[in-house]
Amino acid sequence: GAVVSQHPSWVICKSGTSVKIECRSLDFQATTMFWYRQFPKQSLMLMATSNEGSKATYEQGVEKDKFLINHASLTLSTLTVTSAHPEDSSFYICSAREQGSYEQYFGPGTRLTVT
Amino acid sequence: AQKITQTQPGMFVQEKEAVTLDCTYDTSDPSYGLFWYKQPSSGEMIFLIYQGSYDQQNATEGRYSLNFQKARKSANLVISASQLGDSAMYFCAMREPNTGNQFYFGTGTSLTVIP
Repeated sequence: GAVVSQHPSWVICKSGTSVKIECRSLDFQATTMFWYRQFPKQSLMLMATSNEGSKATYEQGVEKDKFLINHASLTLSTLTVTSAHPEDSSFYICSAREQGSYEQYFGPGTRLTVT
Repeated sequence: AQKITQTQPGMFVQEKEAVTLDCTYDTSDPSYGLFWYKQPSSGEMIFLIYQGSYDQQNATEGRYSLNFQKARKSANLVISASQLGDSAMYFCAMREPNTGNQFYFGTGTSLTVIP
């Protein structure tokens, strides 16, 4: 089956620093990748959709300058949380979709804690 | 309006018994897909079962079955012969082509299996 990895699986950073999270499709080419944020005991909220080689589309209320998304290749998308604050602490999950497919394959998630 | 509604924040079931987790959805798109995911405490999203809007039969995958009632716009998950390892959060989700095949998630149901 399709495998999506995320790195790191967890990260602790200081307030004001930036953190980069990688999402990789290991055995397929992902033309579209999605980034979700999940607060404790809440549902997944879509942050943005990224298509390879083009700018990401952000959901309403998500600051594009704070959450930088790059989808430079068919197997890698990155989410950079810039100038992180404690309220950015959350579980970030990516998913990837292969060209021509409707299915999304989820990564294992990255737990971010900002101190 | 909510695209996906899960009205049971928490459910308990005795081991070896069956349990039904409720999900209703809202869409005007005639073509859509319905999914159930399991999220254990580790955070990974585990795909359980899929039902297409044009599928005539209810989907089944091992101990999981989906009770699809299209006219009522409900897609309840039935887990038979519950096991202790079934304790987790369960999310219902819908894929809607007219919104770029974006996934919409419900708020989830926390299932606890009692020995």
